[in-house]
Amino acid sequence: DGGITQSPKYLFRKEGQNVTLSCEQNLNHDAMYWYRQDPGQGLRLIYYSQIVNDFQKGDIAEGYSVSREKKESFPLTVTSAQKNPTAFYLCASSRDREGGNEQFFGPGTRLTVL
Amino acid sequence: GDSVTQMEGPVTLSEEAFLTINCTYTATGYPSLFWYVQYPGEGLQLLLKATKADDKGSNKGFEATYRKETTSFHLEKGSVQVSDSAVYFCALSDLKTSYDKVIFGPGTSLSVIP
Repeated sequence: DGGITQSPKYLFRKEGQNVTLSCEQNLNHDAMYWYRQDPGQGLRLIYYSQIVNDFQKGDIAEGYSVSREKKESFPLTVTSAQKNPTAFYLCASSRDREGGNEQFFGPGTRLTVL
Repeated sequence: GDSVTQMEGPVTLSEEAFLTINCTYTATGYPSLFWYVQYPGEGLQLLLKATKADDKGSNKGFEATYRKETTSFHLEKGSVQVSDSAVYFCALSDLKTSYDKVIFGPGTSLSVIP
């Protein structure tokens, strides 16, 4: 079955540490996205990538970094510069123009800073 | 810029009640419209979509009609079940003005009680 996988499901980090969240898709989608969701809140876009080796900042990119070395993979690093990283992180992909940019989501990673 | 407004939650209904969740949008182009559902602790799943005016999206008993004249995409279901308890997000993608992004509403939490 095609889909998006995120790992780990739960992640705990000490203050001052960088952590990397994994996102892999086998849907052959060109575009991939990272969102942050806080309790009772909607989704906020962190970074997105339309093609390999290219990505753009979203609305809340400060304190985060990404890479897109392979079409299938779009890892997100939460750096120590992110002041309040505890949140639920969602990765998504889309076929871009086809289907009106319908997005397919992974199951999410819940990050907690201790 | 483009935006999505949803009715405030939480919404609590008894089983078999009629559901309406209002969604209105602002867009300069001709967006595609979506409803996504998020069950506790999970990622978002596409519930239904409509890509042009007067289209009706439907899935699992849920329906929404793309109304350009009122810039609305209200979600309805005739008889809700306990298993429909989730958070519902209205979203738009305007490939002419925000090519790379999907704009999400804040979400509406639904609880269905037996």
